[in-house]
Amino acid sequence: EVQLVESGGGLVQPGRSLRLSCAASGFTFDDYAMHWVRQAPGKGLEWVSGISWNSGSTGYADSVKGRFTISRDNAKNSQYLQMKSLRAEDTALYYCAKATSVSVWEPFDYWGQGTLVTVSS
Amino acid sequence: QSVLTQPPSASGTPGQRVTISCSGDSSNIGRNTVNWYQQLPGTAPKLLIYSNDQRPSGVPDRFSGSKSGTSASLAISGLQSEDEADYYCAAWDDRLNGPVFGGGTKLTVL
Repeated sequence: EVQLVESGGGLVQPGRSLRLSCAASGFTFDDYAMHWVRQAPGKGLEWVSGISWNSGSTGYADSVKGRFTISRDNAKNSQYLQMKSLRAEDTALYYCAKATSVSVWEPFDYWGQGTLVTVSS
Repeated sequence: QSVLTQPPSASGTPGQRVTISCSGDSSNIGRNTVNWYQQLPGTAPKLLIYSNDQRPSGVPDRFSGSKSGTSASLAISGLQSEDEADYYCAAWDDRLNGPVFGGGTKLTVL
């Protein structure tokens, strides 16, 4: 059974940093691209970042470019999102999502339950 | 403002057929395939339709997708109360170099 478990969320002050983690199980992790998608309270889905199977290709939404960094450790079946210079508008539930293949442009067939990030003073 | 445009709401009675539209442009839907996600209240999204009209295993054939030009549609036939959810379309955007979502459509089963 595919499982994606996010962690690392919490309350953080504006301008500070936070690192999210996603632990994957139930599939061959390094056969698939991975993504982060967020959902602000009461709002829709917003893609944040994606990474190919071998970390050779990464992408970011304009809203986080230069502030967030995605990475993965295939030996640990995990991906990460390092978030810096956090803003109030980054407040959201952050989902870890698995792509259907090695490529970042494929759809997301499994999602975690999310980890909540709240940016507030 | 989402890159893909969906109606904010839709509704139908049990047994009816409902369609949800999704409009984009030549950099996303016009060039790439469309995927649809269903988000039941309080849960994570679930892949409902991929590659315009393909259903993952386990998705009932009451759900179907189509695409024409820069628009796509999700159709739900034989509407059931458990279909009440938010539905999102998505497609890769070549200009933004990432996937884009519609704003979501809240489906109410009356």
